[in-house]
Amino acid sequence: QLQLQESGPGLGKPSETLSLTCSVSGDSLSSSPYHWGWIRQSPGKGLEWIGSIYYSGNTYYNPSLMSRVTISIDTSKNQFSLKLTSVTAADTAIYYCTRLPSGYSYSDYWGQGTLVTVSS
Amino acid sequence: DIQLTQSPSFLSASLGDRVTIICRASQGISSYLAWYQQKSGKAPKLLIYGASTLQSGVPSRFSGSGSGTEFTLTISSLQPEDFATYYCQQLNSFPPTFGGGTKVEIK
Repeated sequence: QLQLQESGPGLGKPSETLSLTCSVSGDSLSSSPYHWGWIRQSPGKGLEWIGSIYYSGNTYYNPSLMSRVTISIDTSKNQFSLKLTSVTAADTAIYYCTRLPSGYSYSDYWGQGTLVTVSS
Repeated sequence: DIQLTQSPSFLSASLGDRVTIICRASQGISSYLAWYQQKSGKAPKLLIYGASTLQSGVPSRFSGSGSGTEFTLTISSLQPEDFATYYCQQLNSFPPTFGGGTKVEIK
C-alpha cells in the first residue's frame, strides 16, 4: 500500500530556507509512472499547489513561487524534497506531499501533512 | 490563474439528506475538475476526477457532474462519515487551483 510521509523542521525564521522531505513506501520512484508533488494549506490562502517532479527530474512549479522553490528527487532513497527560500510568515502552512498521475493533475495519494511555522 | 468559487461556503444538513455543492470556474475548464473531502486534522482525500469519475473505493452515493464553468458534487444520502469540508480543484489551466471549500455540518 502506498504511503507518503513528510519530514522536516516545524519551525523556521524569516529569510531562512524551508526544507522538507517526503519518504515514499509502496512504490519505487525510479520506475514509477507517476509524478510527485507538494501542496500547502494555510488559513489565509487555502490550498495552494506548489509543484511536482518526475523521476527523470522534470519539474513543474507554480509561477507564484517559482523564484523561491526547488523540488528534487533522490531515487536511491525513494524520497523527494522541497526547498523554499526566503520564507516569510506568509509561508506558514501545512505542507503535504502527494502523488499525481501526471505533471499537474489531481493528487490521488497524500501524506498526512506537516505544519511549518515561520516566526522570528 | 483560474478562480474557483464554491457555494455554499457552509452547509448544514441532516443524515439522509441529498446534498449538492457547486463549483464555478472563472473561465472554461472542460471537464478537468477534481473533488476532495477533508476531515478535521487530516489530509484531503480524492473523491472524483475528470468532473464525474469516481475514485476507486469512494462510495457510490458521491457523484460529480458538469463541464465548462459549472460543476456539482452531490451526496445522495448524507452519512455520518460525510461531515467534512469539500474542495474542488481545476486541472485545465496551469497552475492548478482550488476552490475555497464547503463545510458540511450536522443540522
